[in-house]
Order: sequence, then structure tokens, then C-alpha cells
Amino acid sequence: AQSVTQLGSHVSVSEGALVLLRCNYSSSVPPYLFWYVQYPNQGLQLLLKYTSAATLVKGINGFEAEFKKSETSFHLTKPSAHMSDAAEYFCAVTGGANSKLTFGKGITLSVRP
Amino acid sequence: NAGVTQTPKFQVLKTGQSMTLQCAQDMNHNSMYWYRQDPGMGLRLIYYSASEGTTDKGEVPNGYNVSRLNKREFSLRLESAAPSQTSVYFCASSDSRHVTDTQYFGPGTRLTVL
Repeated sequence: AQSVTQLGSHVSVSEGALVLLRCNYSSSVPPYLFWYVQYPNQGLQLLLKYTSAATLVKGINGFEAEFKKSETSFHLTKPSAHMSDAAEYFCAVTGGANSKLTFGKGITLSVRP
Repeated sequence: NAGVTQTPKFQVLKTGQSMTLQCAQDMNHNSMYWYRQDPGMGLRLIYYSASEGTTDKGEVPNGYNVSRLNKREFSLRLESAAPSQTSVYFCASSDSRHVTDTQYFGPGTRLTVL
């Protein structure tokens, strides 16, 4: 069994400020972890994924995430927010063979001018 | 290269009506998925097709049926729509030779059942 927890439903930051979106997971097998982004009225697209190679994963648009097994976390960060980062962000987990992708509830990021 | 396409983009149904949501991908992917997205609930898997000729239930299959018509196309059918099926429906595809393969999503269908 696997699950993802994204606490809170909305984060608001100022343009240029640090973005931190939290994700904690539960998995009975070594997990693979993903962050997807959904811009308004669009489908989801992959930001980055952890596939057990490197614990610090860099993605598109300046985002990165660090896998911390001891904390069962995979938080998403970006040093400096841009207005174009305003979107909904989903953390997702999958496990071994035949395991399906399980999504968190998502968190909406707003960026203030 | 259009990726994953879905039709229609919007649909309004009355309770009890039926409809089919269409999905096609041009990436030669083996696996295809149908999700529904509801506010505060993330995405939930309805059905998936690991390869051409196979389909399996996901987390919330009740009230839906699917058909993997060929490698490109995967349709979702609501036989008798209910207000609880008001949602945004996303189709996705992946190569799925490995569990870490990226899923690629279509733009979604917004369905309202009155």
C-alpha cells in the first residue's frame, strides 16, 4: 500500500521568494516519487521524478526536490518564485512492479507581485 | 506530434444519459489510463490498460466502462450518468516498460451531470 500526504491546500509567496511545497509518503516498498504541475485549464505535466539514482533531483523551470528516506519526505523547492509558477502541484508515489501511481490531493501555489 | 488528445473538452449531461469520452495518443505508448479529478481529492484512477487488449479496474471504477480500441485509443463510457460523476476527466499514457516511466496527460474533459 502507498499514499501521499500534501498538507494544506494553498501556499502563497511573493515573487522572488523561496517556494517550498511539502510532500510526505508512505510505501511498503522502496518508492519512486514524482512531482507534477497543472497550469489552469490544462493537463498535468511532469516536473521531476526520483528513481533511486540521486536523492537530490532537479527538474524543469528551476524546481528541485530532495528524497529523505528517514523523514519519508520529498519536498519541492525553488529558490525564487516567478509569476508563471502559479499552478497546482501534485506529489505522487509508486512502488514495485504492477504498482499504480497514487496522487496526493494537490496544493495550489499563488505568487504575489 | 499532438501527444494525448481528448474529446470532447466540455459536456453537460442529464442524469441517466450515456456518453463516451474519447482519448488517443500518438507516442506509441503501451499503457493508457483514465483519471478523475475532484476538488481537494487529487487524481483518482478509474481504469487503466497496461497494453493493447487488456483493461483493469483502478480505485474508482463503479459506473464506468472502458474499451482499448487499439494501441492508440482508449475510451471511457458512462452508461447512466449520475451527478456524482460530475468531474474533470483526464486520460494519460506511458511507455510503461518500467514503473518509473512518465505519464503524459491530455487536456481533460469537464463533465457536468445535472
